[in-house]
Amino acid sequence: DTEVTQTPKHLVMGMTNKKSLKCEQHMGHRAMYWYKQKAKKPPELMFVYSYEKLSINESVPSRFSPECPNSSLLNLHLHALQPEDSALYLCASSPGQGRLAIEAFFGQGTRLTVV
Amino acid sequence: AQTVTQSQPEMSVQEAETVTLSCTYDTSESDYYLFWYKQPPSRQMILVIRQEAYKQQNATENRFSVNFQKAAKSFSLKISDSQLGDAAMYFCALNSGYSTLTFGKGTMLLVSP
Repeated sequence: DTEVTQTPKHLVMGMTNKKSLKCEQHMGHRAMYWYKQKAKKPPELMFVYSYEKLSINESVPSRFSPECPNSSLLNLHLHALQPEDSALYLCASSPGQGRLAIEAFFGQGTRLTVV
Repeated sequence: AQTVTQSQPEMSVQEAETVTLSCTYDTSESDYYLFWYKQPPSRQMILVIRQEAYKQQNATENRFSVNFQKAAKSFSLKISDSQLGDAAMYFCALNSGYSTLTFGKGTMLLVSP
C-alpha cells in the first residue's frame, strides 16, 4: 500500500465554522507533512511532523492547528478561516526527514473553500 | 538556502513528439536530490523521476529522462513520445541537506492530438 489518503476531497466552510482535514498512511512512514497550494502555484510547506512530534511550523497562523495522534494519522484542524485560506491542502509522508525525505508520497488533497 | 527556478510557465507539444522542460537550482550542499513531479487535474502530486547528485548517470524512467548538468546546476526533463495523459503541471523540486522539498513555480504542459 503506497497510498496517502486524504478526507474529505472537497470542503466548503463558513468563516465561523470549525472543521478538520484528515490524512492517513500505512507505509510505516515517520514523517508527515501539510502543504497549502494555491491555483497554478507550487505547494507551500506548512507543517512537518517527525515521529509524531511537530518539527517544523512555517509561521502558519494559529487558525490552522495540526495534530498527529499516531504514526499513521495526521489532522489539520481549521477554525475562523478567511476566504484567502481557500486552497488545495496536500498531505505527504516519507520514511523520515532529511535524506529519508527523498521518498515522499502525496495524497490527492482536500479542496477547501471558505465562504 | 536552496532555490529552484523553472523559467517556462507553459509548454506545448504534439502527441508522439518530444519535449524538454527546463529547471535550474541552487544549493550549497554537496549531497542532494532532484525530482520532477507531475500534477494532473486530479491534483495528486506524482513522482516522475529522481536524480541523486552524486550519480553522474542521468536517470531514466521509460519515456522520461533527465539531463543533469551538475556544474551548471541544471536539471531538465525530456518526455519522449508524448501522450495526451502527459498533460499536467510539472514541478521541479530539490531536497538538500536536512531541509524539506523546495519546488519550482511549475511548467504547464499542454499536449495536442
